[in-house]
Amino acid sequence: EAGVVQSPRYKIIEKKQPVAFWCNPISGHNTLYWYLQNLGQGPELLIRYENEEAVDDSQLPKDRFSAERLKGVDSTLKIQPAELGDSAVYLCASSPGVANEQFFGPGTRLTVL
Amino acid sequence: AQKITQTQPGMFVQEKEAVTLDCTYDTSDPSYGLFWYKQPSSGEMIFLIYQGSYDQQNATEGRYSLNFQKARKSANLVISASQLGDSAMYFCAMREVSADTGRRALTFGSGTRLQVQP
Repeated sequence: EAGVVQSPRYKIIEKKQPVAFWCNPISGHNTLYWYLQNLGQGPELLIRYENEEAVDDSQLPKDRFSAERLKGVDSTLKIQPAELGDSAVYLCASSPGVANEQFFGPGTRLTVL
Repeated sequence: AQKITQTQPGMFVQEKEAVTLDCTYDTSDPSYGLFWYKQPSSGEMIFLIYQGSYDQQNATEGRYSLNFQKARKSANLVISASQLGDSAMYFCAMREVSADTGRRALTFGSGTRLQVQP
C-alpha cells in the first residue's frame, strides 16, 4: 500500500515569493492534516480536513496561508508571500477517521532566503 | 501550560539494552489517546504505539511498550533490546477533544533524540 506522498521534498525560495506544497493521502483516508514542524520541535497542526471540508483551521495564519482539498483527496497548502520565519518542514498526514492513528508523509523542507 | 512534556532532549543507550523515554501530559478531558512516533533523519513520522485513556492494560507492540501511569499522567515509552536502527527522534503526542472546538488534532512534545551506541 502506498503511503502519504508529498512534493516537493525540498524547496528554496526568496522571501515574498509564493510557494505551494502538494499532498496525496493514503487511498480511502477521509481525514487529512497539515502540520508545521520547526527545527528541534514537534509538529504543530495547521489545518485538518474531513473529506473536502476544513473542520479545524484555527492555527492557520490566514493572512498568508491557504489550503484546499477540492475533491476530498489531494490537498495543496500555499504560502503567499513567504517570510523568513516560514522556513520549516511541512508535514502532511492522513487517517481513515479522526479517531485513528495518523500516517505521515516525508514532509517538504522549505527554506526562505 | 505545556500539554505534552518530554524532559530528555537526548538519550544514549548501548545496543541490546532497554531504554525508557519519558513523557508527561496535561489534560482535563477524561477521554484521550496517547501516541508515540519515531522520526528518523529522513524526516518521516513513523507510528509506534497507542494507549487509550480507558485502556486497562499497558500497550505493547513488539519491542515497544508504553508504561501508562494515569494518576501520574505519564506515558513513558520503553524500547527493549535496542538496535542501531532505533537511533532517531521520538515524539510523544496526545489526542483530546476540545469542548469548544471539537478539535481532535494531535499535540506533540518537543521530542527526545535517542542514540544507540554499538
